[in-house]
Amino acid sequence: SAVISQKPSRDICQRGTSLTIQCQVDSQVTMMFWYRQQPGQSLTLIATANQGSEATYESGFVIDKFPISRPNLTFSTLTVSNMSPEDSSIYLCSVEAPGWNNYGYTFGSGTRLTVV
Amino acid sequence: KQEVTQIPAALSVPEGENLVLNCSFTDSAIYNLQWFRQDPGKGLTSLLLIQSSQREQTSGRLNASLDKSSGRSTLYIAASQPGDSATYLCALAEGDTGRRALTFGSGTRLQVQP
Repeated sequence: SAVISQKPSRDICQRGTSLTIQCQVDSQVTMMFWYRQQPGQSLTLIATANQGSEATYESGFVIDKFPISRPNLTFSTLTVSNMSPEDSSIYLCSVEAPGWNNYGYTFGSGTRLTVV
Repeated sequence: KQEVTQIPAALSVPEGENLVLNCSFTDSAIYNLQWFRQDPGKGLTSLLLIQSSQREQTSGRLNASLDKSSGRSTLYIAASQPGDSATYLCALAEGDTGRRALTFGSGTRLQVQP
């Protein structure tokens, strides 16, 4: 299955600033997914990113707050903009492994964000 | 809209016990179901994937079953060990809406006591 390198692994940021999270995949994948996991909660999908097109955002998430780039088939970034303490969460990227119905989904190691 | 429920929310067992984690879902039109493990503050590790046409998968001490007709999956852990302590998440992939992201349950937090 695919291997994802996600950076940074954690960060502590001041409110009002922005943080960009990067995910690099070791193989070409069509779709990449960004999730948020708030403290004590399960994962919620933020958006789906296809190469060469605008990301598709889930209800409750907007591009101005969470801009996403997908410049090629192995890389994507998620920016958390104008941060507030409510944005403190773990952010994870995910891809469908090749032959996804056989291998399922692979996740990055996550970015633990604390906003102070 | 698909809803995924996991019971129990938390479980504490002594080492060596066999245990069952439950996952239920409301819409049986799924492509596959995946069980993950998450250690505190960490990412997700895939444990088992069951395709919609399958009824169970096994890996070592883990066995996962799928019953689409009743909207249920179970994860059986044999001879539990302290290293099994983690949160276990089930997640569904749905294809007929065009969305191929996962819908997650709320998780079961497992503590295995030495």
